[in-house]
Amino acid sequence: DTGVSQDPRHKITKRGQNVTFRCDPISEHNRLYWYRQTLGQGPEFLTYFQNEAQLEKSRLLSDRFSAERPKGSFSTLEIQRTEQGDSAMYLCASSLDPGGKEKLFFGSGTQLSVL
Amino acid sequence: DQQVKQNSPSLSVQEGRISILNCDYTNSMFDYFLWYKKYPAEGPTFLISISSIKDKNEDGRFTVFLNKSAKHLSLHIVPSQPGDSAVYFCAAKREGAQKLVFGQGTRLTINP
Repeated sequence: DTGVSQDPRHKITKRGQNVTFRCDPISEHNRLYWYRQTLGQGPEFLTYFQNEAQLEKSRLLSDRFSAERPKGSFSTLEIQRTEQGDSAMYLCASSLDPGGKEKLFFGSGTQLSVL
Repeated sequence: DQQVKQNSPSLSVQEGRISILNCDYTNSMFDYFLWYKKYPAEGPTFLISISSIKDKNEDGRFTVFLNKSAKHLSLHIVPSQPGDSAVYFCAAKREGAQKLVFGQGTRLTINP
């Protein structure tokens, strides 16, 4: 399977704990994105990497959130001191975009529940 | 502010008939539009797209129409099949930007 892989699929944590999610993009894709989706809403952009460089961050990404993509391969998204409002589906996507037309390939997401 | 809006949370269509999903946007800088389909417990999958220089794009049973003056696009599915039952998201992108702006989604149910 060469699709976008996310781990874990589900995460339940207590408020105040730190959590980390992993995303493995399609191997030849140089662009990687994180989105967040809450119930009844569409995905909202969080951040974007081209290779290992984080080129854009949304205002939604507070100081408690950090994302990395070492060596331009897999990416991690860490949330520190989780809050109940962080409960959402965290989606990773990747693309190989020579022409600016963003056909993103999404993973199945990590469902975070903060109790 | 919701720059991309899908005002119908749900739509029910009989199998074999046409499904029409609508999407409105407010940002005139958007120049590329996409539709994604999402099944439960899966990520969104790309369906069809259209550039702002076109007013129609067709791919098999799926056709997207763009009306720039009205800032409106629609997705037509004909004939509708039970496997089309899913949540459909409209998304838009500005030239030079990387992020997609999504609508809230429309849940389509195809009844046998």
